[in-house]
Amino acid sequence: DGGITQSPKYLFRKEGQNVTLSCEQNLNHDAMYWYRQDPGQGLRLIYYSQIVNDFQKGDIAEGYSVSREKKESFPLTVTSAQKNPTAFYLCASSLGDSPLHFGNGTRLTVT
Amino acid sequence: AQKVTQAQTEISVVEKEDVTLDCVYETRDTTYYLFWYKQPPSGELVFLIRRNSFDEQNEISGRYSWNFQKSTSSFNFTITASQVVDSAVYFCALKNNAGNNRKLIWGLGTSLAVNP
Repeated sequence: DGGITQSPKYLFRKEGQNVTLSCEQNLNHDAMYWYRQDPGQGLRLIYYSQIVNDFQKGDIAEGYSVSREKKESFPLTVTSAQKNPTAFYLCASSLGDSPLHFGNGTRLTVT
Repeated sequence: AQKVTQAQTEISVVEKEDVTLDCVYETRDTTYYLFWYKQPPSGELVFLIRRNSFDEQNEISGRYSWNFQKSTSSFNFTITASQVVDSAVYFCALKNNAGNNRKLIWGLGTSLAVNP
């Protein structure tokens, strides 16, 4: 079955460490997205990529970085510069203008 | 500016009750899409419906129905005879027809609890 895989489901890190969240899709979708979800704040776009080797900042890109070396993969690195990294992170993909297809998310806790 | 308002933060109902989740949007665009997504406790958002602004016909899919009213800028979602499995957070979203998904504007979500 096609879908989006985010791993791990839960991630724990110490403050000051960079951490990379994995997102892999086998839907052959061109576009991929990273969202952050906090209680009461809905979904906020971090980064998105329309094609391989190209990506753009979303609304809250500070403290995050991404790469898009392969169509299937769009990893997100949460750097130590991110002031409040504890959150639920959702990866999504889409083909053209189709509705977003989401992964199961990664819950990151930084202490 | 574009905006999506889901005024109901949390709703709690008893199984088999009907429940309506409200969504009010603001946009200056004449053509746009409206969406509903469901986020069950497992975390992933599941696409439910996309409606083009040209199409004001109400839609029914099993126990789910959507009422799109351009006159009141609303796109409300009704679950008939709710079930425990309907417990989730539901998000309404808006996008300009000409914009890509980067331009999705999300509501803050309504958490629905269906109790047995």
